[in-house]
Amino acid sequence: DTGVSQDPRHKITKRGQNVTFRCDPISEHNRLYWYRQTLGQGPEFLTYFQNEAQLEKSRLLSDRFSAERPKGSFSTLEIQRTEQGDSAMYLCASSHFPGQTYEQYFGPGTRLTVT
Amino acid sequence: AQKVTQAQTEISVVEKEDVTLDCVYETRDTTYYLFWYKQPPSGELVFLIRRNSFDEQNEISGRYSWNFQKSTSSFNFTITASQVVDSAVYFCALSEVNFGNEKLTFGTGTRLTIIP
Repeated sequence: DTGVSQDPRHKITKRGQNVTFRCDPISEHNRLYWYRQTLGQGPEFLTYFQNEAQLEKSRLLSDRFSAERPKGSFSTLEIQRTEQGDSAMYLCASSHFPGQTYEQYFGPGTRLTVT
Repeated sequence: AQKVTQAQTEISVVEKEDVTLDCVYETRDTTYYLFWYKQPPSGELVFLIRRNSFDEQNEISGRYSWNFQKSTSSFNFTITASQVVDSAVYFCALSEVNFGNEKLTFGTGTRLTIIP
């Protein structure tokens, strides 16, 4: 296992279009997190799953955003009717809970540009 | 609510100099974890260290060292004998674990440039 992977790495879309990102966590990790990072800022928490259950959503996650983890493995993050303000790096992280380290392992991110 | 402040936006030092990155945090919880992550130009966040709120011992790992002081709510990071490969954005982060959600609250990062 080589770590957390995300696809695509880059996405350019026009305002109003829908986009979907995928995250594949480390295989034995039951927790999966989504974060968003805008230019010059630190990552901000969006939502997280334990297995297939979505346990918390940030107020940053508007109704246009939806995330799923149907079989407790990979996860998708969909943004409907994209806006220019959605342009950011979307980061996925995974961890094992309960664990000894509380360490989250991050993927390389998907950079979204909305034109 | 939890908050992490990294007041230094950018730092530049000449190679081989020592540099300290500051981190101040706020939390009402008694049990929490503090982290440092490195983000090189490639964009991937690389874990550097984790410290829990009950362990105030300083830690050294090679050229890296961390100073955790609960009295001042600070968790500072020092690089000794800096190298060009240390150039990156460094993030301090806080995780409150009392309710089982390990979500990380990040600071705004410090961009470190090592000048050869």
